[in-house]
Amino acid sequence: SQQGEEDPQALSIQEGENATMNCSYKTSINNLQWYRQNSGRGLVHLILIRSNEREKHSGRLRVTLDTSKKSSSLLITASRAADTASYFCATVNSGGSNYKLTFGKGTLLTVNP
Amino acid sequence: NAGVTQTPKFQVLKTGQSMTLQCAQDMNHEYMSWYRQDPGMGLRLIHYSVGAGITDQGEVPNGYNVSRSTTEDFPLRLLSAAPSQTSVYFCASSYAGQEHSVYFGPGTRLLVL
Repeated sequence: SQQGEEDPQALSIQEGENATMNCSYKTSINNLQWYRQNSGRGLVHLILIRSNEREKHSGRLRVTLDTSKKSSSLLITASRAADTASYFCATVNSGGSNYKLTFGKGTLLTVNP
Repeated sequence: NAGVTQTPKFQVLKTGQSMTLQCAQDMNHEYMSWYRQDPGMGLRLIHYSVGAGITDQGEVPNGYNVSRSTTEDFPLRLLSAAPSQTSVYFCASSYAGQEHSVYFGPGTRLLVL
């Protein structure tokens, strides 16, 4: 069953704007990860946030985690056309491990030049 | 390093045919997994392995077999292909644990007629 649900399903912005995607999940987790998938390609790991962390940064990416609400957000600042892709959140459930990621359905981000 | 490689990139099968999707990694990762991705869906776990000789079922294992005779290789076998198995298949690998990055292959696009 799908653990995460991303919101919105699709997002279209102009280059230079910020993009925010949200993810909700259902069960207790060990960590939450965000992945990017360019059209027709495999997934690329972006960032991981542990269940005891509230915020994490990596370059233009900022991830927050609220375990009380079972939700996470991914912020991409100063977006570029090259950021156009689908973004997925994936969770490692408590007691689980990296061989068993549970994915959401993804957000399709389009950055217009 | 080549990372995670998958062959073939694209395959067309007739209902009832069998085939093997190949996956290999050269990073000495303990964990390997197979996922399928259907339109508008996130990835769903088919089978996984935590080391050579050890495999287990994921969320959607029916119609698929796996084996892990070496650390490097994790083939996925379709026993008798059905149209419902039309999908994009991704192989993934990571070091053992909960917080290592997971690496994905480029995918195999399978069409069952």
